[in-house]
Amino acid sequence: LAKTTQPISMDSYEGQEVNITCSHNNIATNDYITWYQQFPSQGPRFIIQGYKTKVTNEVASLFIPADRKSSTLSLPRVSLSDTAVYYCLVGPDSGGYQKVTFGTGTKLQVIP
Amino acid sequence: NAGVTQTPKFQVLKTGQSMTLQCAQDMNHEYMSWYRQDPGMGLRLIHYSVGAGITDQGEVPNGYNVSRSTTEDFPLRLLSAAPSQTSVYFCASSTGTSGKSSYNEQFFGPGTRLTVL
Repeated sequence: LAKTTQPISMDSYEGQEVNITCSHNNIATNDYITWYQQFPSQGPRFIIQGYKTKVTNEVASLFIPADRKSSTLSLPRVSLSDTAVYYCLVGPDSGGYQKVTFGTGTKLQVIP
Repeated sequence: NAGVTQTPKFQVLKTGQSMTLQCAQDMNHEYMSWYRQDPGMGLRLIHYSVGAGITDQGEVPNGYNVSRSTTEDFPLRLLSAAPSQTSVYFCASSTGTSGKSSYNEQFFGPGTRLTVL
């Protein structure tokens, strides 16, 4: 399975756009890119998933370049409540159960 | 829907005691998994199940047992608790419909914080 690399931590002021980049050089043809958000003392929560180009939902946008070797999670105008750990995962969306690997993620601290 | 529920929320055990962490989901999901999360670390897979009656080991299975007699329930048993099992435990479920993988959306429970003295 593709290994991912993302920054350990980031700080941002309230109201700014935050971009968290994930590197996945060995991504396979049938792999999708998935992001989770984990607030303190809670379980992770699915945010967004994409295969290529751009995906947008009510929470975030996901930008994936043509070579798919990296991806960027974009959070528009963050607030204090966006302080959380963000995990980037890469794996297939079909083919049965996979042993999902969560790395240490990126700890985002939003500053007032 | 209640989603994924876990009980208890907190538990303190003495070394050598046994206990069962409960997990239930009401979404009719085929896949269920148990993870542990230690401070400053990601989640590590303990055991998983792809359906009633089918379980298998994850990354860190030693010291834990699971069973899945129904689609809804997936309890995790600690046989003889050790201080190294102090952690936060998360249960998750996801659909396996049409051969979907667990890299599709997983729904997580609120977690059980376990301390072993």
